[in-house]
Amino acid sequence: GENVEQHPSTLSVQEGDSAVIKCTYSDSASNYFPWYKQELGKRPQLIIDIRSNVGEKKDQRIAVTLNKTAKHFSLHITETQPEDSAVYFCAGPTSGTYKYIFGTGTRLKVLA
Amino acid sequence: NAGVTQTPKFQVLKTGQSMTLQCAQDMNHEYMSWYRQDPGMGLRLIHYSVGAGITDQGEVPNGYNVSRSTTEDFPLRLLSAAPSQTSVYFCASRRTSGSLHNEQFFGPGTRLTVL
Repeated sequence: GENVEQHPSTLSVQEGDSAVIKCTYSDSASNYFPWYKQELGKRPQLIIDIRSNVGEKKDQRIAVTLNKTAKHFSLHITETQPEDSAVYFCAGPTSGTYKYIFGTGTRLKVLA
Repeated sequence: NAGVTQTPKFQVLKTGQSMTLQCAQDMNHEYMSWYRQDPGMGLRLIHYSVGAGITDQGEVPNGYNVSRSTTEDFPLRLLSAAPSQTSVYFCASRRTSGSLHNEQFFGPGTRLTVL
């Protein structure tokens, strides 16, 4: 069946450094790749998404890159700040359905 | 707009009890879904609906029922609660007209404990 794998499960970086989280997917027909941020005790919220017709999308300090050949997409956070500390989830749709399959999450800690 | 709302926020059940988690959205979204979130397991899809009268199973449907009689409401029923159903439950919705895949909005969650 469809699968989304996310790595690493935890990531600690110094404030100001960059963080990269990677997801791989199995459904080659997938065409939409969102990233969600979940702060402690809060609901997940969309921070950036990319569709398969582009290879990269940026929004200020965050960016997402997509490699359709290798079937992976990555979240890049530059100049990390303490408020970036959260759990980040990638997701992938399953072709021919409306379902999203989520990765298992990455707990990012930004150390001051 | 209130967005996606869920009630209750917290619930404690005894094994074997039944209950319904409520979810409503006021954005006229066609798609609604229920997820459970357990430590280290991410968000797992329980059931989803693409419109009133249409529901389907997700990854972990056993022990749960859903119905979608209106566009706005998508309740999740636990038939006979088990300790393994202790989790945080999130309802989510999104628009599917125009594009199958759009931003998915989550409710605030319901923290359920089954003793």
